[in-house]
Amino acid sequence: QLQLQESGPGLVRPSETLSLTCTVSGGSVSRSDNFWGWIRQPPGNGLEWIGNMYYSGSTYYNPPLKSRVTISIDTSKNQFSLKLSSVTAADTAVYYCARVSNLAFDFWGQGTLVTVFS
Amino acid sequence: QSALTQPPSASGSPGQSVTISCTGTSSDVGAYNYVSWYHQHPGKAPKLIIYEVSERPSGVPDRFSGSRSGNTASLTVSGLQAEDEADYYCSSYAGSNKWVFGGGTKLTVL
Repeated sequence: QLQLQESGPGLVRPSETLSLTCTVSGGSVSRSDNFWGWIRQPPGNGLEWIGNMYYSGSTYYNPPLKSRVTISIDTSKNQFSLKLSSVTAADTAVYYCARVSNLAFDFWGQGTLVTVFS
Repeated sequence: QSALTQPPSASGSPGQSVTISCTGTSSDVGAYNYVSWYHQHPGKAPKLIIYEVSERPSGVPDRFSGSRSGNTASLTVSGLQAEDEADYYCSSYAGSNKWVFGGGTKLTVL
């Protein structure tokens, strides 16, 4: 069974860079039919797609976040990562990593809360 | 792209059916057969219950069904059970490797 687990700091200061890692088990991030995504959910609010990454390294980002987001993959560790720069309080959210299959997010991590505070 | 439009709330009694709508545009919901639905219980991660408009992943009860008409997709939950009380989100592929989610609907089982 595929499992995903987010990890990273739970507190980030304004203007700094949020960095999270998603560790995949039970499957390979480098499979040619897989791609991987990040989604976030501000407290009490709905889901927002951040971006996806194909096994080949191609990345696609939500336009409002594009200038601040980088998603990368580390096949040696079976992980993929999210970096979001110049964070503000509006970036406080639960961040989820997920696998994309049939253009739907079929397996999700448990999520990790990141709070931007000064 | 803008978020898909969902009603903020829906409700039904046990055993009844309830339908949740998800309205997009001709650039997302109306353009692709890639509408998906998720439910999310408090404090939990979302779980996929419908993909490609009307397909159910393995293990999802057939009480959950999806459909689409024009730019509006719908999720119907039949034979409501107490465990169905959750937040429900739709999502659609929006072309050019982009995705969009709906604002979510809180389903209450009366």
